Amino acid sequence: EDKVVQSPLSLVVHEGDTVTLNCSYEVTNFRSLLWYKQEKKAPTFLFMLTSSGIEKKSGRLSSILDKKELFSILNITATQTGDSAVYLCAVTNTGNQFYFGTGTSLTVIP
Amino acid sequence: DGGITQSPKYLFRKEGQNVTLSCEQNLNHDAMYWYRQDPGQGLRLIYYSQIVNDFQKGDIAEGYSVSREKKESFPLTVTSAQKNPTAFYLCASSINRLVTEAFFGQGTRLTVV
Repeated sequence: EDKVVQSPLSLVVHEGDTVTLNCSYEVTNFRSLLWYKQEKKAPTFLFMLTSSGIEKKSGRLSSILDKKELFSILNITATQTGDSAVYLCAVTNTGNQFYFGTGTSLTVIP
Repeated sequence: DGGITQSPKYLFRKEGQNVTLSCEQNLNHDAMYWYRQDPGQGLRLIYYSQIVNDFQKGDIAEGYSVSREKKESFPLTVTSAQKNPTAFYLCASSINRLVTEAFFGQGTRLTVV
């Protein structure tokens, strides 16, 4: 059965801390792995990863994929209260189906 | 502005009634999806459509129906057969089956009273 598992389920940190969110997957005919940030309503797209070992970076956020070990991490450095959200990991297959993890709920305390 | 529009934002329904959630996109995307989000369960796929006049069941299609008569529209009907319909529903679209980034609407929160 295809599945995506995220850990931890929730995390509380102080402003300025660095966090690492994990996403492991077992999906047949893997195509890509995507990270989304969901604050109150619609998830917003962060990164799409298709190749192992190539870091994608956007400001304080970065992500990398390991296709051999079947996981990805999302790093957030110097966290701010605006980073508080649920972070969703999704994996797509060659049939363009999306498999979502349950998300990691991040709370950043001032 | 290009995007995906879901309506209504909040919907209340009496038990035993069918209700239709609207999803419209003006991004010229071929593929559209409906997800249900419950606390602690992430996003679960209800139905998806890769092209007009064609759609496939997702993991939890029972009690739901869809149509795709136009490229820009993918309405979801929650029927009275759906045993636990209270949830947050998200519609998404992606350009086509070769491009996998999905864009989401703002969601509809359905409450059955």
